[in-house]
Amino acid sequence: AQKVTQAQTEISVVEKEDVTLDCVYETRDTTYYLFWYKQPPSGELVFLIRRNSFDEQNEISGRYSWNFQKSTSSFNFTITASQVVDSAVYFCALSEAYGGSSYKLIFGSGTRLLVRP
Amino acid sequence: GAVVSQHPSWVICKSGTSVKIECRSLDFQATTMFWYRQFPKQSLMLMATSNEGSKATYEQGVEKDKFLINHASLTLSTLTVTSAHPEDSSFYICSARDWTSGSSYNEQFFGPGTRLTVL
Repeated sequence: AQKVTQAQTEISVVEKEDVTLDCVYETRDTTYYLFWYKQPPSGELVFLIRRNSFDEQNEISGRYSWNFQKSTSSFNFTITASQVVDSAVYFCALSEAYGGSSYKLIFGSGTRLLVRP
Repeated sequence: GAVVSQHPSWVICKSGTSVKIECRSLDFQATTMFWYRQFPKQSLMLMATSNEGSKATYEQGVEKDKFLINHASLTLSTLTVTSAHPEDSSFYICSARDWTSGSSYNEQFFGPGTRLTVL
């Protein structure tokens, strides 16, 4: 069975601090996709990144970076120099690569990030 | 970019009434759409997978007769909450897969969500 665990329920930091959101996943598939989404108070999901299981390269996009480690089944997300606008709920998600289940997404429970001025 | 809309964005209804929520892919064809439910401060839980022209596949524990899903065209799927009760109050989000993008992974695009409040 597929499962995504985000152990951090809520994180509070002061603006300009770096913060890492943890994501641990379980799957029997050898090929799969991992995602991060941001959900601001408005509720609309904002896509941040998709990572193929064969691509373990870390990725950086501006203040955002992702660390994918298959050995520990983790896909952690770091925000550098956090800003108040980063306050949101962040979801990690997993999807199988072959459409046996139509690529349905399995979401973690989410981490609520509060960035204080 | 691919856009998915939902209508209405919010709805308040009386207990016992039925509510229909529409999910539309505005600039692409979506053979598969997904319906999620999100209770306050909780994660998104997949309710059902909707394939155009066929019956929806419901997740375990989701009542088919209560949550009617119709995917009659490549751009529209509807979720009808029948005989709604206060416990059905939730945030309902749809997503759609774009088969025509040509990418190796067919992206899933999310709608803005519909907040349902049942009094």
